[in-house]
Amino acid sequence: SYELTQPPSVSVSPGQTARITCSGDALPKQYAFWYQQKPGQAPVLVIYKDSERPSWIPERFSGSSSGTTVTLTISGVQAEDEADYYCQSADSSGARYVFGTGTKVTVL
Amino acid sequence: EVQLLESGGDLVQPGGSLRLSCAASGFTFSSYAMNWVRQAPGKGLEWVSSIPGSGGGAYFADSVKGRFTISRDNSKNTLYLQMNSLRAEDTAIYYCAKSGSQGYFDSWGQGTLVTVSS
Repeated sequence: SYELTQPPSVSVSPGQTARITCSGDALPKQYAFWYQQKPGQAPVLVIYKDSERPSWIPERFSGSSSGTTVTLTISGVQAEDEADYYCQSADSSGARYVFGTGTKVTVL
Repeated sequence: EVQLLESGGDLVQPGGSLRLSCAASGFTFSSYAMNWVRQAPGKGLEWVSSIPGSGGGAYFADSVKGRFTISRDNSKNTLYLQMNSLRAEDTAIYYCAKSGSQGYFDSWGQGTLVTVSS
């Protein structure tokens, strides 16, 4: 079955930049989306269509795509950004969705 | 404001059945595909199933195909997940999620816990 691979963890100091990668063979053909999930809460969409940001998400969140890898970048990380982050896309048929393995972002 | 409220989670024995519901409000329910996503304790997110706004042509993850059925009642603004032949590995929080326009999930409920154990 189709898989999206993320690093298990990323650690960053406040004010620095965090980058989270997500790799999958179908990513050149399918959009990627990113979600933030804090403990005990439902996920929240932070990036859609590779690089679009919902109006309620701070500008420090951005997304990019290159080949089979997409990247979520958090510039000027704040303590409140500490959370689990998941990428999501679809398989090559577009009919079935898949989530990445998840990355825990720790703010030192 | 979009609101999604799941219910129906419970403790059930292996091999048993359960039906989850998701009551939607704040948007034109019949115009949007809806989804179920689950999260086992301490684990990542797993897409379970999707159903178009019209109710036809549903899709399922391989892990639940043949055991789970998704349906919707657009007159009641409610999404359902019928879960049969439940296994221990189906233990999870089940989230209802509204689809955006390009295959993403733009609104989520708070989830309902399903525990499969003897």
